[in-house]
Amino acid sequence: GAGVSQTPSNKVTEKGKYVELRCDPISGHTALYWYRQSLGQGPEFLIYFQGTGAADDSGLPNDRFFAVRPEGSVSTLKIQRTERGDSAVYLCASSLLLARYNEQFFGPGTRLTVL
Amino acid sequence: SQQGEEDPQALSIQEGENATMNCSYKTSINNLQWYRQNSGRGLVHLILIRSNEREKHSGRLRVTLDTSKKSSSLLITASRAADTASYFCATVMTGANNLFFGTGTRLTVIP
Repeated sequence: GAGVSQTPSNKVTEKGKYVELRCDPISGHTALYWYRQSLGQGPEFLIYFQGTGAADDSGLPNDRFFAVRPEGSVSTLKIQRTERGDSAVYLCASSLLLARYNEQFFGPGTRLTVL
Repeated sequence: SQQGEEDPQALSIQEGENATMNCSYKTSINNLQWYRQNSGRGLVHLILIRSNEREKHSGRLRVTLDTSKKSSSLLITASRAADTASYFCATVMTGANNLFFGTGTRLTVIP
């Protein structure tokens, strides 16, 4: 079956602009996670959803970052007033159950470059 | 912030040799998972070991977990050139539901 998909695969924007990154999880997966990975580092947790609600957004770096999952499936990560330090690969993952029970399935990521 | 650290940061071996990577973490965990990443993009889950387990096998992979030392190791036996990738350990802390990744080990298998 189809895996987790993310669009766009690459996004180049200018400092100060607004961007939206989309994630389509595996059908039927109730948990959805966003991570950010900088060059040479491991992924860092941003936020996760259980169904439609954000169950834990403690990893969001500041209030410029926001994510939604209105129908419990597709999720959008929104970044306002982008800064050069936001440049990274943004990874989305989904799982049938929460991470305490089983593995997560990752998408290919969106590489965001802020000029 | 990163939860754990992998050791070594980079490892280069000949095809057919075994590769061992170590992971240390800081807090009490529910489980520990190992992931593989090619070319800095999508991660692939390899194996999950729960806090009450000490060892697990999957094909050429062997994972150990020592909760008293807060450490884990991943052994890849009879390595192949296709095993070249970055390997990350990730923990699910007790009471949490997300992964905390280590810094990764870059493995290069020379044909």
